[in-house]
Amino acid sequence: EVQLLESGGGWVQPGGSLRLSCAASGFTFSDNAMSWVRQAPGKGLEWVSGFSGYGDSTYYADSVRGRFTISRDSSKNTLYLQMNSLRAEDTAVYYCAKNPIGYWCFDLWGRGTLVTVSS
Amino acid sequence: IVMTQSPATLSVSPGERAALSCRARQSVGTNLAWYQHKPGQAPRLLIYDASTRATGIPARFSGSGSGTDFTLTISSLQSEDFALYYCQQYNNWPMYTFGQGTKLEIK
Repeated sequence: EVQLLESGGGWVQPGGSLRLSCAASGFTFSDNAMSWVRQAPGKGLEWVSGFSGYGDSTYYADSVRGRFTISRDSSKNTLYLQMNSLRAEDTAVYYCAKNPIGYWCFDLWGRGTLVTVSS
Repeated sequence: IVMTQSPATLSVSPGERAALSCRARQSVGTNLAWYQHKPGQAPRLLIYDASTRATGIPARFSGSGSGTDFTLTISSLQSEDFALYYCQQYNNWPMYTFGQGTKLEIK
């Protein structure tokens, strides 16, 4: 079955760190660009970070650049998001999403993992 | 690129037609997608390249528009269609932006 499964969310104090994981199955993970997208409570979707399909290019939204790091382990078919210096405004459900080859929409999403940043 | 969806909430009866609007502050060509999102579920791709239905999407879903104005039309609403809908531009890849969403509710 083609699917994405996020994990690693939870509660963390401001200034803390958390690492999210996204396990992929059913497709050739290394061929596809992948992204993290988040949804804060009561808000719309916000793209956070992306990883290119071929090669190792990474991209970040201005709101997280310098604090978050995206990476992947193709041997484990897993995408990661290391989140440091967390702020209250980072509270959100975090989704991983897959780009189909040659396209920049997202054709597969996970169900998300909730990150709560609060003291 | 700022994306603005309207209305925020749309109340429609089952069997009727719904038209959701998405406007870009600057041209995105046809680099636009629509997603359906239900609480607790993964978002689902409906339309990409402004008017191409994704695999497995029923024909009652259609997309139109180019440049700055786009519409998602659902021709005859089924009970399972009541959800949140988002547009997304990818013309400014990788700086994707989404609209704030339209909630489609049962009238």
